[in-house]
Amino acid sequence: GAVVSQHPSRVICKSGTSVKIECRSLDFQATTMFWYRQFPKQSLMLMATSNEGSKATYEQGVEKDKFLINHASLTLSTLTVTSAHPEDSSFYICSARVQGAYNEQFFGPGTRLTVL
Amino acid sequence: AQTVTQSQPEMSVQEAETVTLSCTYDTSESDYYLFWYKQPPSRQMILVIRQEAYKQQNATENRFSVNFQKAAKSFSLKISDSQLGDAAMYFCASGGYQKVTFGTGTKLQVIP
Repeated sequence: GAVVSQHPSRVICKSGTSVKIECRSLDFQATTMFWYRQFPKQSLMLMATSNEGSKATYEQGVEKDKFLINHASLTLSTLTVTSAHPEDSSFYICSARVQGAYNEQFFGPGTRLTVL
Repeated sequence: AQTVTQSQPEMSVQEAETVTLSCTYDTSESDYYLFWYKQPPSRQMILVIRQEAYKQQNATENRFSVNFQKAAKSFSLKISDSQLGDAAMYFCASGGYQKVTFGTGTKLQVIP
């Protein structure tokens, strides 16, 4: 149980375009989802916390107008990278938390974004 | 605020031997959890073991165990009988009821 999927797994786009990444909890309801960014050989950096039905909470230094997060249902959160630039190229990982269960987060397999 | 420090960028262990990965943390929260996650080359994050800070007993999960020293804010991971499949990046993490903060990771190499 507690499976989280991400789509797409890999995306290549041109500079200036927008890219949407979906994160789904497949067999549980997640009131909270998290979006991370991971550069090569580095740790996971939290970008934002997404609560179902409310606005996302962004970490300091993360542009909310560039990284749009929507958590419209208990099983789906989306991250849209708007007007992507080469420096946005990274590995994006989402996770979903099962409320009350040791505060454990279940991670998606990640999305590799390459902006040309 | 939370910080997690992993001072060993890389470690190696002989197959079937035991290795310990270090982690120290700092948190202002009174109730928190500690985790070790494994990230193999596939990049999928996998929970290895977790510890509730209010529990004094060290968590164990098969070949994985932790040494939790709350006063010292230390949370090391011991891997016994290391296997080739244990080779991965290991991230220590600390979290309260909101977000989780990750350390910089330790790359574990298992030598056949």
